[in-house]
Amino acid sequence: NAGVTQTPKFRVLKTGQSMTLLCAQDMNHEYMYWYRQDPGMGLRLIHYSVGEGTTAKGEVPDGYNVSRLKKQNFLLGLESAAPSQTSVYFCASSYSAQALTDTQYFGPGTRLTVL
Amino acid sequence: GENVEQHPSTLSVQEGDSAVIKCTYSDSASNYFPWYKQELGKRPQLIIDIRSNVGEKKDQRIAVTLNKTAKHFSLHITETQPEDSAVYFCAPPLPKSGGSNYKLTFGKGTLLTVNP
Repeated sequence: NAGVTQTPKFRVLKTGQSMTLLCAQDMNHEYMYWYRQDPGMGLRLIHYSVGEGTTAKGEVPDGYNVSRLKKQNFLLGLESAAPSQTSVYFCASSYSAQALTDTQYFGPGTRLTVL
Repeated sequence: GENVEQHPSTLSVQEGDSAVIKCTYSDSASNYFPWYKQELGKRPQLIIDIRSNVGEKKDQRIAVTLNKTAKHFSLHITETQPEDSAVYFCAPPLPKSGGSNYKLTFGKGTLLTVNP
């Protein structure tokens, strides 16, 4: 049982390049989330998914897209990276299918630098 | 998030002392109050949570208290140890205006340093 995993762990991009971050969970959780963490800003929700095939916007969705084609995977895409997207990205999942009132399990994070 | 305030932003204590971190939220309809701990370079992990039908919950050296009237809940760590040094986040789901859905909002975090 690996829990929540993320790939890659580190990435450096040039402005305008695109990339996809992959999150996988083996706990059969319904909910999955993508956050970014910046110094002094805490964790901010980018997008989330309440089940396979569904996604929703969080607090800071601009510049990102997501897909949940399989229940266990949640992909975060950057179509045209900008320096403002330099951050640590965390994926999380939770079991609960209602009201977001359940423990979130986080992945190890991806450190992204956009030059 | 603007609907969640966490204080203090930094806290330094001597080993063995107690530490208290407070989280204030905006909406009285919130009903779940978790605290997460994030050690340097690691992922956040839930350490304790409480639901609105109880006022206090303890787990060894950590406890969470809830004051629904005042709309705040607090994390209490007693007999602090160096390994308690970390950033602590509160994350009460806040109801979205006009509907029954909730939005996730994390506080900006409290950096706790326990000095040996």
